[in-house]
Amino acid sequence: AQSVTQLGSHVSVSEGALVLLRCNYSSSVPPYLFWYVQYPNQGLQLLLKYTTGATLVKGINGFEAEFKKSETSFHLTKPSAHMSDAAEYFCAVSDTGNQFYFGTGTSLTVIP
Amino acid sequence: DVKVTQSSRYLVKRTGEKVFLECVQDMDHENMFWYRQDPGLGLRLIYFSYDVKMKEKGDIPEGYSVSREKKERFSLILESASTNQTSMYLCASSFPGAAGATEAFFGQGTRLTVV
Repeated sequence: AQSVTQLGSHVSVSEGALVLLRCNYSSSVPPYLFWYVQYPNQGLQLLLKYTTGATLVKGINGFEAEFKKSETSFHLTKPSAHMSDAAEYFCAVSDTGNQFYFGTGTSLTVIP
Repeated sequence: DVKVTQSSRYLVKRTGEKVFLECVQDMDHENMFWYRQDPGLGLRLIYFSYDVKMKEKGDIPEGYSVSREKKERFSLILESASTNQTSMYLCASSFPGAAGATEAFFGQGTRLTVV
């Protein structure tokens, strides 16, 4: 069975500070991992994904994530937060690519 | 660009009504999904479908049914709406995993209020 844990339902950072959103997963097989962003009253938009190969994955809007198998983690980072980064972020895992399991989300607030 | 379109952004329905939420995708995806999203609970899978006329229950199917008569269209049906079904509903689609790892593409969501 697959599952995702996002540590911290709310994270606040100052504009220009490092953004770190944590995601740990459980999977019985090598996983596919995803980060999505959701702006208010909208659907989810893919930020980045890990399938195979390089464990450091770069996505849109300056975000990146690193797959660490030994830690079963896929934390999302951005070196410098921007006001426009304020949103809800979801980590997801898939084993076969046919089902997706989502974390409960992390709401990011950026303080000017 | 992949487009997943949900028929309504906002809906208000009365308790006991039969409610249809429609979702259409234009990328010939085999897989389609319906999730509901509630604060603090993330996305919970209601139903998914691997192919036309195929459906599988997700984690919270009670009170819902689905229909997939055409590959591009996946409908969620609330047989008798109740106030505890007030939520944001998200439709998604994807290629099968065997075709290569692929993400789920989401619609804009339907915010349903049952009064």
